[in-house]
Amino acid sequence: ETGVTQTPRHLVMGMTNKKSLKCEQHLGHNAMYWYKQSAKKPLELMFVYSLEERVENNSVPSRFSPECPNSSHLFLHLHTLQPEDSALYLCASSQEGTDGYTFGSGTRLTVV
Amino acid sequence: AQSVTQLDSQVPVFEEAPVELRCNYSSSVSVYLFWYVQYPNQGLQLLLKYLSGSTLVKGINGFEAEFNKSQTSFHLRKPSVHISDTAEYFCAVSTPPGGGNKLTFGTGTQLKVEL
Repeated sequence: ETGVTQTPRHLVMGMTNKKSLKCEQHLGHNAMYWYKQSAKKPLELMFVYSLEERVENNSVPSRFSPECPNSSHLFLHLHTLQPEDSALYLCASSQEGTDGYTFGSGTRLTVV
Repeated sequence: AQSVTQLDSQVPVFEEAPVELRCNYSSSVSVYLFWYVQYPNQGLQLLLKYLSGSTLVKGINGFEAEFNKSQTSFHLRKPSVHISDTAEYFCAVSTPPGGGNKLTFGTGTQLKVEL
């Protein structure tokens, strides 16, 4: 158990569906992150939340909508996705002012 | 801005042989350096990190890395690999507290250990 839990582990959705990815951290960290990992491409930082405030949004399409209701939970709401959005979505957390991230196991998303 | 270059996308090696995975970084300020490992269908797990002090860093599973400031490198080594080391390895860099906490990752190196 890494201390960062992501659900679901696998998700298949149609392009017209709406779904949400959930991330929960049990480490007392105050920063959380969403990364996208596609085959043959580097890890892409999508969103950063620090102290529950979004501090970074790396030109991510509006069909991805993050939500951070408190310091332990992070969501990624998905709607009208495209097949190229199929990827492994990784959540991570860290404590601001210290080093390194702790990652969850990811959600494998397939858009059909 | 900082960046990380992993020079090898794939490294095949026989079991019990030594291995080195290369990582070079670029930054205008001092950095923290990390190696992460990713097994199939898993998230990233921290192998080791360099923050300050001794340039030779030992991590989990028998891996070690050496920080070389003059060559801006942080190569990962293991003297004898095992089949179970087959995975993807990511080098990452961040700036110390005060410079933000954002990790920048390299593109990864796939280590394949063969019998």
